[in-house]
Amino acid sequence: GNSVTQMEGPVTLSEEAFLTINCTYTATGYPSLFWYVQYPGEGLQLLLKATKADDKGSNKGFEATYRKETTSFHLEKGSVQVSDSAVYFCARLLDSGNTPLVFGKGTRLSVIA
Amino acid sequence: GAVVSQHPSRVICKSGTSVKIECRSLDFQATTMFWYRQFPKQSLMLMATSNEGSKATYEQGVEKDKFLINHASLTLSTLTVTSAHPEDSSFYICSAGLGTGELFFGEGSRLTVL
Repeated sequence: GNSVTQMEGPVTLSEEAFLTINCTYTATGYPSLFWYVQYPGEGLQLLLKATKADDKGSNKGFEATYRKETTSFHLEKGSVQVSDSAVYFCARLLDSGNTPLVFGKGTRLSVIA
Repeated sequence: GAVVSQHPSRVICKSGTSVKIECRSLDFQATTMFWYRQFPKQSLMLMATSNEGSKATYEQGVEKDKFLINHASLTLSTLTVTSAHPEDSSFYICSAGLGTGELFFGEGSRLTVL
């Protein structure tokens, strides 16, 4: 099938803690993978992406590596800030080209000072 | 990156009325746009694929007569919720891409049906 599974939240961390949000996908091939972030009251924003195996996407201190062996795309950040509090969605392209995204259920992150 | 804009961002209507939500690609042409629905604290569920100049493709379980989609130009797709009821209250989000795989999302439209 075509699904994305990510760890359920909510996740609450103290400022400067290490963050990992797990994400795995099912696919017959190697779809492009994405992490989107939704800040309170705002729309979705692309955080990072990886288009092929072993690619590492990175942005704003966040990283995720496309691992085909484990069909995973875990999101990590070494030191979270209060401003990182948001909902994070892992997603994969349904197919190549101009096709929709399939989203995970989202993980709510709260960072406390 | 490319910009996708939705309007209105919030709308409140009475039960039984129809509501139209617009999705525009501001700086690129989009032959295909996607409409999603997001329930509170849940993920985005694909409702339909909007195709310029042809009929939309609806996902299983989505009523096409309830959620009318029109993609009359390369920069505009509209979603009309007909005869809205409280259970239609939700956050509706559109997206469009450049064909490279990356999708750009509108700000979303929160519909509240009283």
